[in-house]
Amino acid sequence: AQSVTQPDIHITVSEGASLELRCNYSYGATPYLFWYVQSPGQGLQLLLKYFSGDTLVQGIKGFEAEFKRSQSSFNLRKPSVHWSDAAEYFCAVGAVTNAGKSTFGDGTTLTVKP
Amino acid sequence: DAGVIQSPRHEVTEMGQEVTLRCKPISGHNSLFWYRQTMMRGLELLIYFNNNVPIDDSGMPEDRFSAKMPNASFSTLKIQPSEPRDSAVYFCASTPGQYYGYTFGSGTRLTVV
Repeated sequence: AQSVTQPDIHITVSEGASLELRCNYSYGATPYLFWYVQSPGQGLQLLLKYFSGDTLVQGIKGFEAEFKRSQSSFNLRKPSVHWSDAAEYFCAVGAVTNAGKSTFGDGTTLTVKP
Repeated sequence: DAGVIQSPRHEVTEMGQEVTLRCKPISGHNSLFWYRQTMMRGLELLIYFNNNVPIDDSGMPEDRFSAKMPNASFSTLKIQPSEPRDSAVYFCASTPGQYYGYTFGSGTRLTVV
């Protein structure tokens, strides 16, 4: 069975500072990995995804994530955070099946200080 | 593309009433998922369909919940009878395949009083 752990429930960073959100996964084969963002009152939006190839993937809104197989991690990063990045972030792992089911982590809430 | 469309956006109903939530997935997406989100339990997968067929409904909390997908462009989630503990935001999501990730709708905020 696949699972995802996001160790940080809540993170606060200052505007302009760098950001790293942690994600650890458990899956027996090569996983599909995703990061989503949810702004208040909105649905989740896909930020980026990884399946194979370059382990550093670029996404929308200036985000990137790095896949590290040895650490079973897929951490999300952004070099300079903007106030509009305040939101909840979800990491997800997918199974290689037709139905496309993903398992989501519990989320990390990001607060941005001015 | 209008994205995944959910209706209604907000629903307030009295305990014991039937509630029907609706979802129109993106055309060409062959998998559809229903999620429930609350502060206490986070994001929970209720049921998902592939090619209009229910694949896994183990997340449906009780027999009061049922879901259908009569065709590729429409799905419903029904709660009968509704209870206050069903109050949550219900999301529908669709995908053309695992590699692509999900596209979520804007959700239906359900309040049962």
